[in-house]
Amino acid sequence: DQQVKQNSPSLSVQEGRISILNCDYTNSMFDYFLWYKKYPAEGPTFLISISSIKDKNEDGRFTVFLNKSAKHLSLHIVPSQPGDSAVYFCAASQGGKLIFGQGTELSVKP
Amino acid sequence: KAGVTQTPRYLIKTRGQQVTLSCSPISGHRSVSWYQQTPGQGLQFLFEYFSETQRNKGNFPGRFSGRQFSNSRSEMNVSTLELGDSALYLCASSLALAEGEQFFGPGTRLTVL
Repeated sequence: DQQVKQNSPSLSVQEGRISILNCDYTNSMFDYFLWYKKYPAEGPTFLISISSIKDKNEDGRFTVFLNKSAKHLSLHIVPSQPGDSAVYFCAASQGGKLIFGQGTELSVKP
Repeated sequence: KAGVTQTPRYLIKTRGQQVTLSCSPISGHRSVSWYQQTPGQGLQFLFEYFSETQRNKGNFPGRFSGRQFSNSRSEMNVSTLELGDSALYLCASSLALAEGEQFFGPGTRLTVL
């Protein structure tokens, strides 16, 4: 039973445009969510997080939106850059344990 | 501030052997978690240690074990290796808070032949 789902395995975006990565979860008890970026053969790099008491959090080009009623969160990257090409994982935190989605591979084309 | 370090980076073992992986957390971080990444299962939580005690455990068999030392460094051990244990093993550290960002090391790539 997958509690955190990223239904799009891949996404291709033109440089300068917006990238929107989506994530759904099933457990309403999750109260903290994170996004990580990962390159092959490296560990995930923390990008941005959001607590369930908020519906939006921004950090530079990255914004995470949380819709608790829909159990959905999304990561917006504006403007997208070729260096953003990587696999993006959303994760829910449950008492110190991260539950990850399967990842979405983002490709930003020049 | 130095990041999370893991040793070794690559390891090749044969079925039936055992292996020990090491992780040094970011200075000041007291929580260390371990994850396994495989193509089929994605990133899965193994266990978490805080102040030398296992605080959280994932759904892995008892062949997977770990420990944490007083300086917060952690080791994980896999006994009686199986082919399916081939994976990238990632260590992450965080401050003491139960909810918070975890910072990952580069991982140890284990190949079981």
